[in-house]
Amino acid sequence: QITLKESGPTLVKPTQTLTLTCTFSGFSLTTSGVGVAWIRQPPGEALEWLAIIYWDGEERYSPSLKNRLTITKDTSKNQVVLTMTNMDPVDTATYYCARRPAHSLNIFDLWGRGTLVTISS
Amino acid sequence: DIVMTQSPDSLAVSLGERATINCKSSQSVLYNSNRKNYLGWYQQKPGQPPKLLFYWASTRQSGVPDRFSGSGSGTDFTLTITSLQAEDVAVYYCQQYYNPPYTFGQGTKVEIK
Repeated sequence: QITLKESGPTLVKPTQTLTLTCTFSGFSLTTSGVGVAWIRQPPGEALEWLAIIYWDGEERYSPSLKNRLTITKDTSKNQVVLTMTNMDPVDTATYYCARRPAHSLNIFDLWGRGTLVTISS
Repeated sequence: DIVMTQSPDSLAVSLGERATINCKSSQSVLYNSNRKNYLGWYQQKPGQPPKLLFYWASTRQSGVPDRFSGSGSGTDFTLTITSLQAEDVAVYYCQQYYNPPYTFGQGTKVEIK
């Protein structure tokens, strides 16, 4: 059974840095073609892709957020970590991690349940 | 960035009737070398994460009922639910994976009339 689970703070103050961890099981981020992405969804709004890290260590970021995001992986722990700097109330959203299953297929076939992060002083 | 625009924003359909959702990309997502459309569809029910329905525009993900179908090519795509069931009430999103950033449409809310 494949699972992904997001963890991190539920409340962050403006200007602070957010660190989220995706812990997954049932697949390996060393398998060729596999990736793990972060996607967010503000309350009542649409999905926004943020970043992805691939089995080979390649990282890709949303250009609009690139200077604020860092994605890393720890294959020994089956974890992917997303850090986002200089948080603002508009960053309030549910943050999801999701699996990219195979080469050329940058869709997301399995998702965590998400974690709601509120940015407020 | 490739902009994905869905229509309508919402629709209400009677049980057993057809629901049609459109998705238009600002540039073609058809990759000429393999003739594949880099387009996916997701279903999101309230309080749940999105669920993948289709990839390559029309390849049904395992376990998705065959009343759902995906079609289209280039810049214009359609998700059809041929006989709407109560459990199909959800918001549906298209997503392009032709180029990063991998952008989603704004969503289409499907309700029961």
